[in-house]
Formats: sequence, structure tokens, C-alpha cells
Amino acid sequence: GAGVSQSPSNKVTEKGKDVELRCDPISGHTALYWYRQSLGQGLEFLIYFQGNSAPDKSGLPSDRFSAERTGGSVSTLTIQRTQQEDSAVYLCASSEPGQGIDEQFFGPGTRLTVL
Amino acid sequence: GEDVEQSLFLSVREGDSSVINCTYTDSSSTYLYWYKQEPGAGLQLLTYIFSNMDMKQDQRLTVLLNKKDKHLSLRIADTQTGDSAIYFCAVDTGRRALTFGSGTRLQVQP
Repeated sequence: GAGVSQSPSNKVTEKGKDVELRCDPISGHTALYWYRQSLGQGLEFLIYFQGNSAPDKSGLPSDRFSAERTGGSVSTLTIQRTQQEDSAVYLCASSEPGQGIDEQFFGPGTRLTVL
Repeated sequence: GEDVEQSLFLSVREGDSSVINCTYTDSSSTYLYWYKQEPGAGLQLLTYIFSNMDMKQDQRLTVLLNKKDKHLSLRIADTQTGDSAIYFCAVDTGRRALTFGSGTRLQVQP
């Protein structure tokens, strides 16, 4: 079946503008994650959604970052008043937690460049 | 918080074995993972090990876990040019999101 998809694949914006990044998880997956991968760095956790529970926002770096997940499916990550340090690849993953291993399936990412 | 460390780069010749190392700080992790990221592609789960195991073998891949030293390694036997990628070590921390290392870029020379 279809994997995790993200759009756009690339986004170039000017400093101070707002951007929205979209993630379509695998159908039926109740868990959705956003990570950020900066150049030469590992993946940094941003936010986690699980079903109807309150999201775990503990990884969001500032109040300029927010995310929503509508209807338990599609998620949008919004970055307001973008800064140059926001430039990174934003990765979305989804999974179906259960007993044992919780394999996260990753999308191809959105490469954000803030000029 | 959890800290996961990896060396940044490894170069091997085709046919040799590759060993990618990872150290972590949180001893309560249940599962430890290796993800592979190929150019232009998303991360894919390569293999994993349960924390009560010390070794897991899967075809050309061998995962070794030393819980005492909090050290995880991935050995790739008979490394091929198609194995060239970035390999990420990741651990769970009790919440569902994973903590990733910075990735090891494996370069396989013909």
C-alpha cells in the first residue's frame, strides 16, 4: 500500500514568512511523529500524536512551531515567522503501536530553506 | 535527556565487513534500532534488537548489544556498494518517539 507522503518536497521561503508542511500517514496508523534533521545532525523529535490523546509537544523548539492532526489522519506542521536556523529537512513518520516493536515508517521529508 | 552518539563516517572496500558503532546513555531502553537512509529516500528500519538480547543476526547483518557499556554495533558482512548510505542508531526512551544518533555515513569503495 501507499507509504507516508509529505508535501511539498522542497520549500524555499524568506525569513519572517510562515510555512505549512503536510504529512499524509499510512492509512490506519494511529501514531504520527514529526522530526527535524539539520545538516550533519541526527533526527530531532518535534511532536507526537497518538489517536485522540493530547499530543506530546515536548520537542517543539519554540512557540513559532505548532502542529495539528485533523481527523486522526493528515497532519500539518506550521512554522511562523521563519528564521534561517529553521532550515532543515522535516520528516514525518507514522506507526501502529501495539505489543513489542513499534516500527516507524518515514516519509521522504520536506526540505525547508529559509533565505 | 537521552544522548546517542555515533561516529560520522566510515569507509570500507567492497567485500570487507563494516562495523558501525553507537553509544547511548539511557539504560531503560526496551528496543534499539538501526535505520538506513539512502540518498533522496526516507529512513527505513533495517533491524532492531530487544534489550534483553546481546546479539541478533539477520542475513548479512549482525547487531551486538553490550548493555553494561551501553554500546550497540551493527556489522555488515560482505559489504556491497549498495550498502552505501547513512546509518542511524535509535533508542526508545519510554515515550514512543525515538532518540536518534547523528548518523554514520558509510562509503563503500569498489
